[in-house]
Amino acid sequence: DIQMTQSPSALSASVGDRTTITCRASQSINRWLAWYQQKPGKAPKLLIYKASTLASGIPSRFSGSGSGTEFTLSINSLQPDDVATYYCQQYDSYPRTFGQGTKVEIK
Amino acid sequence: EVQLLESGGGLVKPGGSLRLSCVGSGVIFSNYAMSWVRQAPGKGLEWVAGISGGGGDIYYGDSVKGRFTISRDNSRNTVYLQMSRLRADDTALYYCAKEEAGLLGPNFHNSMDVWGQGTTVTVSS
Repeated sequence: DIQMTQSPSALSASVGDRTTITCRASQSINRWLAWYQQKPGKAPKLLIYKASTLASGIPSRFSGSGSGTEFTLSINSLQPDDVATYYCQQYDSYPRTFGQGTKVEIK
Repeated sequence: EVQLLESGGGLVKPGGSLRLSCVGSGVIFSNYAMSWVRQAPGKGLEWVAGISGGGGDIYYGDSVKGRFTISRDNSRNTVYLQMSRLRADDTALYYCAKEEAGLLGPNFHNSMDVWGQGTTVTVSS
């Protein structure tokens, strides 16, 4: 199975800051990577697919990059509404696997 | 608007069985693969199983293989998760999710673009 490792596990940043989350795969997954946002008590929501394509309705302050084994999710100008846990997920092969999550808080 | 509604969760004893359902609306259901994803209390997301739009291709996560069965009835816009030989570590909130396309397999790659609100399964004596 492909292991997905996110870093950091948690981060605290100020409103307006640029924040970056990294996701590493244990083997190449090409660009078959999605990012999901999960707010407390809510279902996950697709943010980005195919490593860098923004899902419908997602604000442009979110961006994704990477290929192969290393990927990043960036939030340009962090907003209070972005408080959530973010997960990466590979869909290159079965079983699909998720990173352990990164909890984002406002300082 | 695409909506998914899960049901069937509850309290079950270890070794018992339960069947979850997920009804979809606002979409031609048979055109899309579906997955189940679970989240244990306070933990991260774990993909459980996936089924193609036509039902002919199925995949399972390692921890549920041989105990859980995913199926679908496109005439009812419903996907099911039959869970048997349940264990305490199956306790979780179970989400169904629509995939972005209908086919599953080594050459098909779908993210999960719509999620339901989940149904809770508790396995305890």
